Amino acid sequence: EPEVTQTPSHQVTQMGQEVILRCVPISNHLYFYWYRQILGQKVEFLVSFYNNEISEKSEIFDDQFSVERPDGSNFTLKIRSTKLEDSAMYFCASRAGGNNEQFFGPGTRLTVL
Amino acid sequence: SQQGEEDPQALSIQEGENATMNCSYKTSINNLQWYRQNSGRGLVHLILIRSNEREKHSGRLRVTLDTSKKSSSLLITASRAADTASYFCATGQYSGGYQKVTFGTGTKLQVIP
Repeated sequence: EPEVTQTPSHQVTQMGQEVILRCVPISNHLYFYWYRQILGQKVEFLVSFYNNEISEKSEIFDDQFSVERPDGSNFTLKIRSTKLEDSAMYFCASRAGGNNEQFFGPGTRLTVL
Repeated sequence: SQQGEEDPQALSIQEGENATMNCSYKTSINNLQWYRQNSGRGLVHLILIRSNEREKHSGRLRVTLDTSKKSSSLLITASRAADTASYFCATGQYSGGYQKVTFGTGTKLQVIP
């Protein structure tokens, strides 16, 4: 069964550094998403992406964040100048289209020291 | 108040018993999804129910949706220790091809063997 994959599973970085989180959505899906979950809290929407551009973003998704689909398979989230409070699980999701479910990847745990 | 609120926040039952979790929301939706998350792990999609549906089954799972009361319930029958996890409802608003998903606060279920 096709699934969303994410790498790395765990990323440790120093405050102020840049990180790139990678996702490979399900191959025939058209809509892509990033969410984050701070430990013990609920899952929060960051950004949605369709047709090579951002379709919606939350107030969390400020200039520190950017997304890219550099090729036909990868979908990346870049976090510049990381802060301690960026430590969280980051989930990628994809959706085929229509009023259908989003499928989530296993997440990347980002730890900012 | 938040879009998706589950109750109870925590539920502890004996193996073999049924577990019922409820979700209430504020604004109109196009679908409602239930996800499961084992501690520190990814989100597993369980079931999606659309706004024109009232009940849906999948194995031991039964989901109901009452749009007039803006509420949904997830019933897990004949629970197993392996069902121990957090369960989240996520409301989906779909318009013009785009879907916005908002997660609730989750119910932490513990099934005691």
